[in-house]
Amino acid sequence: QKEVEQNSGPLSVPEGAIASLNCTYSDRGSQSFFWYRQYSGKSPELIMFIYSNGDKEDGRFTAQLNKASQYVSLLIRDSQPSDSATYLCAVNSRASSGGSNYKLTFGKGTLLTVNP
Amino acid sequence: SAVISQKPSRDICQRGTSLTIQCQVDSQVTMMFWYRQQPGQSLTLIATANQGSEATYESGFVIDKFPISRPNLTFSTLTVSNMSPEDSSIYLCSVEMGWTGHTEAFFGQGTRLTVV
Repeated sequence: QKEVEQNSGPLSVPEGAIASLNCTYSDRGSQSFFWYRQYSGKSPELIMFIYSNGDKEDGRFTAQLNKASQYVSLLIRDSQPSDSATYLCAVNSRASSGGSNYKLTFGKGTLLTVNP
Repeated sequence: SAVISQKPSRDICQRGTSLTIQCQVDSQVTMMFWYRQQPGQSLTLIATANQGSEATYESGFVIDKFPISRPNLTFSTLTVSNMSPEDSSIYLCSVEMGWTGHTEAFFGQGTRLTVV
């Protein structure tokens, strides 16, 4: 059973602070890692993806990947109230059907609240 | 990117009945994916629908309970059959698009199903 674990939260940070979201995964063969944001009652939307070890920055967001530790994180700098949402970590891993089929496995998500 | 129209957006159904959810994509895609998101849980892949072949179901999901149609490259339906309260969930249609070495998942608005 391939698993993706996230700190369940909820995580509450003041406006302007750094929010740190963490995720671990069990499948060492995973190649692609994604962070989705899901506002309440809405569908998930992709905000970051990372394939290589190290950091990847996009505006206020930084994704960090450490394949040896099977760990991926998302940092949100200068957090804004509009960042309040559930953040889903997703890992592209080999499907149970095997072969060359991959599927996205999602964590349960971390609810982030940014307080004005 | 992809624009995905999913309907109905929500429904309340009696136990023992069936509901068919429709998913329309604005471009042709090879595979379409159906997820379930139970309250407070992660997205769980139900099945992958390929045009012209039978859907591939994940462990724990069977065709008799969740029959899927994929009549063309832009449309799919998921039926939740013989519903029970345990089927109350959000059902999401998804497609993946991208280029060599990178794919992104796009989601429909979701169908919030309540079984009473």
